[in-house]
Amino acid sequence: RKEVEQDPGPFNVPEGATVAFNCTYSNSASQSFFWYRQDCRKEPKLLMSVYSSGNEDGRFTAQLNRASQYISLLIRDSKLSDSATYLCVVNRAPAGNKLTFGGGTRVLVKP
Amino acid sequence: SQTIHQWPATLVQPVGSPLSLECTVEGTSNPNLYWYRQAAGRGLQLLFYSVGIGQISSEVPQNLSASRPQDRQFILSSKKLLLSDSGFYLCAWSLATSSYNEQFFGPGTRLTVL
Repeated sequence: RKEVEQDPGPFNVPEGATVAFNCTYSNSASQSFFWYRQDCRKEPKLLMSVYSSGNEDGRFTAQLNRASQYISLLIRDSKLSDSATYLCVVNRAPAGNKLTFGGGTRVLVKP
Repeated sequence: SQTIHQWPATLVQPVGSPLSLECTVEGTSNPNLYWYRQAAGRGLQLLFYSVGIGQISSEVPQNLSASRPQDRQFILSSKKLLLSDSGFYLCAWSLATSSYNEQFFGPGTRLTVL
């Protein structure tokens, strides 16, 4: 089993719609969780950290379910500029300063 | 604010040639530093990480090496490149004091070995 698993997609999303996707992680001791965004041929950029209580940043909402070991990302009112690959990232407990990246979920927002 | 630089942006090298990629961070002290490789259509693979000058940990056996000669400088090297070394090389930093360990990436070097 991979340490971090994601549906590779692509998720084809009409502009203005809502899209949500999950990732699962295998290390129950992990303490830090993130979503990164990666545009084609560019570096990953931190989208948001995911906290136990869940958190929201504008149109983006992240949730953490420790019992089932999954993280979700929801994008509301999708924009064309949201088209990207979204990487689910989990720290490698107990060596917390190293991260494991999922393979990414590709999202394509279309007019 | 902190910034991270990598160069060169692109590189085409023949098999068997040496490699040196450089990464520098500005605006922070004693960062944790990381080298990743992303092969075409694949996920990020951690190659090396460093918690201080001269302290390098290798994640996977390979013909690459890393050095940290200064606090905010991280270098990735190879004596002889292989075709399989082609990929997108990313340097990242994180605050050593951060409990959550967010990492921030440089713009990357796209290496093609022919």
